Amino acid sequence: AQKVTQAQTEISVVEKEDVTLDCVYETRDTTYYLFWYKQPPSGELVFLIRRNSFDEQNEISGRYSWNFQKSTSSFNFTITASQVVDSAVYFCALSGPYSSASKIIFGSGTRLSIRP
Amino acid sequence: KAGVTQTPRYLIKTRGQQVTLSCSPISGHRSVSWYQQTPGQGLQFLFEYFSETQRNKGNFPGRFSGRQFSNSRSEMNVSTLELGDSALYLCASSLEGFTTSGANVLTFGAGSRLTVL
Repeated sequence: AQKVTQAQTEISVVEKEDVTLDCVYETRDTTYYLFWYKQPPSGELVFLIRRNSFDEQNEISGRYSWNFQKSTSSFNFTITASQVVDSAVYFCALSGPYSSASKIIFGSGTRLSIRP
Repeated sequence: KAGVTQTPRYLIKTRGQQVTLSCSPISGHRSVSWYQQTPGQGLQFLFEYFSETQRNKGNFPGRFSGRQFSNSRSEMNVSTLELGDSALYLCASSLEGFTTSGANVLTFGAGSRLTVL
């Protein structure tokens, strides 16, 4: 069975600190996709990144970076020099190779609060 | 390009009433899916529609129903509302419903926040 675990329910840091959000997944598929979405207070989930299981390269986009490690089944997300605008709930998600929206498994989310 | 539009954004109903929520997907997107988000249960899949056909349905009672129109707009209906139906209902659209290249990226609307009193 597929599963996504975001063990950190809530994180609170002071602005400019670095913060890492953890995501651990379980799947028996050899081909799979991992996602991160951000849900600001306005409500909509905003797509951040999609990574397939064959691409273990870490990715950096501005202050955001992602560390994908198949050996530990983890896909962690780091925000460098956090800002108040980063305050949101962040969801990690997993899907198999032949997927539709119904097959996307979302984690329970991590609520990130950045204090000024 | 306009995003996913959900209406109404907020609504308050009483137990026993029914509610209809609307979702207009991104132009060109043919797949629409619905999710219920509550603090206790997180994001739960409700339905998925593609080209006016319901492709998948989550584990929800028959009080929850939906449909998709020829212009890809979708509505969901909840009848005989219960207190536990209070939630944020999110709609998401994607270009295709089913793909062999992994799940499409979903574009979400801001949701309809339903409060049942």
